[in-house]
Amino acid sequence: QSALTQPPSASGSPGQSVTISCTGTSSDVGGYNYVSWYQQYPGKAPKLVIYEVTKRPSGVPGRFSGSKSGNTASLTVSGLQADDEADYYCSSYGGSDNFEVFGGGTKLTVL
Amino acid sequence: QVQLQESGPGLLKPSQTLSLTCTVSGGSIISGGYFWSWIRQRPGTGLQWMGYIYYSGSAYYNPSLKSRLTISVDTSKNQFSLKLASVTAADTAVYYCARYSGGTCWFDPWGQGTLVTVSS
Repeated sequence: QSALTQPPSASGSPGQSVTISCTGTSSDVGGYNYVSWYQQYPGKAPKLVIYEVTKRPSGVPGRFSGSKSGNTASLTVSGLQADDEADYYCSSYGGSDNFEVFGGGTKLTVL
Repeated sequence: QVQLQESGPGLLKPSQTLSLTCTVSGGSIISGGYFWSWIRQRPGTGLQWMGYIYYSGSAYYNPSLKSRLTISVDTSKNQFSLKLASVTAADTAVYYCARYSGGTCWFDPWGQGTLVTVSS
């Protein structure tokens, strides 16, 4: 069982927006602004798309955005494109006991 | 840019010790602020952070693996390694190494991953 809870699936049509949630506790997501998101294609390594809740690494499209409210972080993908279809994982710093914790992943399908 | 590459045996028998090495290229493992991490992904499941190490040798482990896991670093070779003792079928997974930013808590880049199967 993963430490952070994500919905197993999400979907949207091309051009639409979809939001994926990531729920933790006050010991991880709620306690620190160190939530990151990773995109993973089948058979490939994960790729960082959001860090520190809202920041985008160089090269990641502006269609990807992050936010947080309380113990829940969210990743929003706007203007869905076919190549956004992938698995998405959240991660949070969990303090000096748990260090880093991941979510179980969400499979995003572009209809 | 920094690249990471995992290496090690792909097949183990139960009770053996899993040993993997991650070679860092395009940058020095002695880079302030970065930790060098191991993350695994069991078949069809999510990611599990296993542990990370600083170039000084200070290592931090997932509490659920701490009793079986050792992470070490060889700065002369720009490599870091993982040893997981007493493996079982539940340790069958793709093992990734990744660079971790200690100040801002993200993993990037990642190695391509290596599949380790535990089977008798």
